Amino acid sequence: DVKVTQSSRYLVKRTGEKVFLECVQDMDHENMFWYRQDPGLGLRLIYFSYDVKMKEKGDIPEGYSVSREKKERFSLILESASTNQTSMYLCASSLFQGTQETQYFGPGTRLLVL
Amino acid sequence: QKEVEQDPGPLSVPEGAIVSLNCTYSNSAFQYFMWYRQYSRKGPELLMYTYSSGNKEDGRFTAQVDKSSKYISLFIRDSQPSDSATYLCAIKAGTALIFGKGTTLSVSS
Repeated sequence: DVKVTQSSRYLVKRTGEKVFLECVQDMDHENMFWYRQDPGLGLRLIYFSYDVKMKEKGDIPEGYSVSREKKERFSLILESASTNQTSMYLCASSLFQGTQETQYFGPGTRLLVL
Repeated sequence: QKEVEQDPGPLSVPEGAIVSLNCTYSNSAFQYFMWYRQYSRKGPELLMYTYSSGNKEDGRFTAQVDKSSKYISLFIRDSQPSDSATYLCAIKAGTALIFGKGTTLSVSS
């Protein structure tokens, strides 16, 4: 089974802190993604990466950066956390096989910024 | 117009009911359609995957795509309390997926 793990299930941080969210997948997938999920807004793509050291902005990259130094690990960084970044953060990875591409999600990190 | 529209519900049905969940989309070039299920406090998991138009069945679940109407549906037969979850439609756009906002379903026993 594909496994995507996220470093924390719950995090509480203060405004202005630098926050690191870590994601690791164990299936050698090329693609990795970071989403945030908010009530009434659904899943929104922040950044994705299709290879080591490669990254692409998603729909809402402002206030975030990412790092992918190794294929299995994709980090989301909040340089200076703000209260409007309180959210559920979901990491996903995928492998494209023929016409099918499935994204596998981690359990999510609930971040509260005070 | 948003690329994917999904009625958020909530939708409440009795056990054994047939459930119909729907999404509409705006770009006729889309060809890959998915349904994800998300239980409370968990990440989404893939339920069904459909390429182009037509139906796909898997047990009690049927996914249907009508490209002429730009309409995708998920039908759940003989719904069970364990089906209570949020269901998200998703469409592949390049490398990324575009998700609907999700429909919350509650099946009562």
